[in-house]
Order: sequence, then structure tokens, then C-alpha cells
Amino acid sequence: GAGVSQSPSNKVTEKGKDVELRCDPISGHTALYWYRQRLGQGLEFLIYFQGNSAPDKSGLPSDRFSAERTGESVSTLTIQRTQQEDSAVYLCASSFRQGAYSSNTGELFFGEGSRLTVL
Amino acid sequence: AQRVTQPEKLLSVFKGAPVELKCNYSYSGSPELFWYVQYSRQRLQLLLRHISRESIKGFTADLNKGETSFHLKKPFAQEEDSAMYYCALISLFSGGYNKLIFGAGTRLAVHP
Repeated sequence: GAGVSQSPSNKVTEKGKDVELRCDPISGHTALYWYRQRLGQGLEFLIYFQGNSAPDKSGLPSDRFSAERTGESVSTLTIQRTQQEDSAVYLCASSFRQGAYSSNTGELFFGEGSRLTVL
Repeated sequence: AQRVTQPEKLLSVFKGAPVELKCNYSYSGSPELFWYVQYSRQRLQLLLRHISRESIKGFTADLNKGETSFHLKKPFAQEEDSAMYYCALISLFSGGYNKLIFGAGTRLAVHP
């Protein structure tokens, strides 16, 4: 597809279960971001990938959260032993490049998000 | 620390009224700032960036380094402007990559 694709769009799970959220970025986009959006709150940075490497994982809230990216393409965000406070919309975004003086710097293309509800 | 502050969670105006969505930032270097918008049931998307000095859908934003602000303005609000607006800052990290830091967002509601 032409845009960033995320799946599932909606996930309801029980507390303590593991979940995987998937992001397919725009083809050729080397930078990939995960953000979290809790109800009524702003966007919270989770992790950034440049290619398959994650130079910035500073936003991951706990060791229950992990993410990987393969083939400089698909990324998976995994939440283990989910808690109710993990309920949120998880947004993925990609960008063509993130050079310091890139004319594309700052324009992220977002997916529609994965809404996670932990009961 | 780099930070973006949007002091208003909700801004409610009538159609035709002027709009100003406030954004203040904290950044030690030379900032690059952006406004993103999320309309109902649509994806978050870039509205405008300060470096382009552009006007999009009647909105403008001027970077004021003295006041560390980047307020979004429109002289006459339209109902279709109702959306969630996020101010964002590029933060340059070592290794040459950038991270986009978002404010908490302001919901603009334009009433008929």
C-alpha cells in the first residue's frame, strides 16, 4: 500500500497476556518510530529505528516492552504481561531519512494506529 | 531538556472567530518546529513547518525565539478546522539522527 499500515487495528486482551503489534512502513523509509497515545493525553515517544537498529529506546516504559525491525521494513512492538495501564493507541510512523539537514526532516507519515485495550 | 508545551487541552471557538493555538518550547540549539493535525477518524499528518514559512488551510505559525513560542494562528476559523493539533520539535541527538518530540496536543472545536 501507499501508506503506513498497522495491525491489528483493535486488540482486546486480558491482563497478563502478551501482545504483538505490527507496523509496515512506507517502502524505502529508513526511519521508523513508535509512539503511544493514552486517552486524553499527547503522543509519547517509545522507540526509534534507523534501518534495523534502534539508537533510541529511551521511551520504552518498562522491560515488558520490546521492539524489533527486520529487513529495514516491518517492525513489531511486543508487550509482555500486559497491564491495564498499557491500554492506549500505539502509533507507528516512518520517514524517508533523518539526516540533520534533510529537507524531509520532520515529516513523519503515520499509520492509523493499533488500539489496545487491556481488561 | 527538550520539551514542547501546549497549555490548552481544549480551545472552543465559533465559526469566523480568530484562533490561536499556543505552543512553547524548550531547546538549547536552533529549533525546528512543526504543527501536526489529526482530524476525526484520520491519521495524524503534517500541517506546516516553520522553516517553510508557509500558510496551509489559512493557518500560519511564526517562530519567536525570544519568547520560545510557535503559536498556530488562523484569522477566521471554519468548522472543518475542528481537530486535534500537536506542536512538535525536532531534537538532534548524537549520531546524527533526529527525534520528533510532541506536545500534549490541543483539541480545537469550532462551533457553527
